[in-house]
Amino acid sequence: KNQVEQSPQSLIILEGKNCTLQCNYTVSPFSNLRWYKQDTGRGPVSLTIMTFSENTKSNGRYTATLDADTKQSSLHITASQLSDSASYICVVYNTDKLIFGTGTRLQVFP
Amino acid sequence: KAGVTQTPRYLIKTRGQQVTLSCSPISGHRSVSWYQQTPGQGLQFLFEYFSETQRNKGNFPGRFSGRQFSNSRSEMNVSTLELGDSALYLCASSLEGPVYYEQYFGPGTRLTVT
Repeated sequence: KNQVEQSPQSLIILEGKNCTLQCNYTVSPFSNLRWYKQDTGRGPVSLTIMTFSENTKSNGRYTATLDADTKQSSLHITASQLSDSASYICVVYNTDKLIFGTGTRLQVFP
Repeated sequence: KAGVTQTPRYLIKTRGQQVTLSCSPISGHRSVSWYQQTPGQGLQFLFEYFSETQRNKGNFPGRFSGRQFSNSRSEMNVSTLELGDSALYLCASSLEGPVYYEQYFGPGTRLTVT
């Protein structure tokens, strides 16, 4: 069954700290994996897109990694800011379908 | 370039009524996808339209329908509303399709069914 699982469900960190969010998937065939950031009441915004052959991709303070062998991805946020408070959604695309994770709710406190 | 716009932003309806939501994609984008987002189920794919044709469909009842016009604008209709239809409905556009092209989401329409 095609599935995307994210952990943790929620996370609270202090401003300036780093954190890592996890995404495990059992999607086949695999096309690409994306991380989205969704602010409360807004639509998701794409952070990174990774294909099978890519191991790491960065977008400013966001760095995503992909291990296609173990079917795991992580999103690392460096030097967190208050504006990083949002839900982070991992989405895996196979050849004709998008499978969504349920997201990690991140709260950054001063 | 203007982003994806959705109207209305907020809507309150009564059980049994029907509702139509509208989505204007980014200029030049031919694919429009619709999603339902609820706290319990997360984001779920409703359907995708490309060149006025439904190309892909999720697992939703027939009460959920949509269409796309020749200018790529899309509408989504929900008939005989149920309380469980209360959700944030998101529209996303992409150049040729969400799988291989970047997808841009609109702000969503918050539907409340009472």
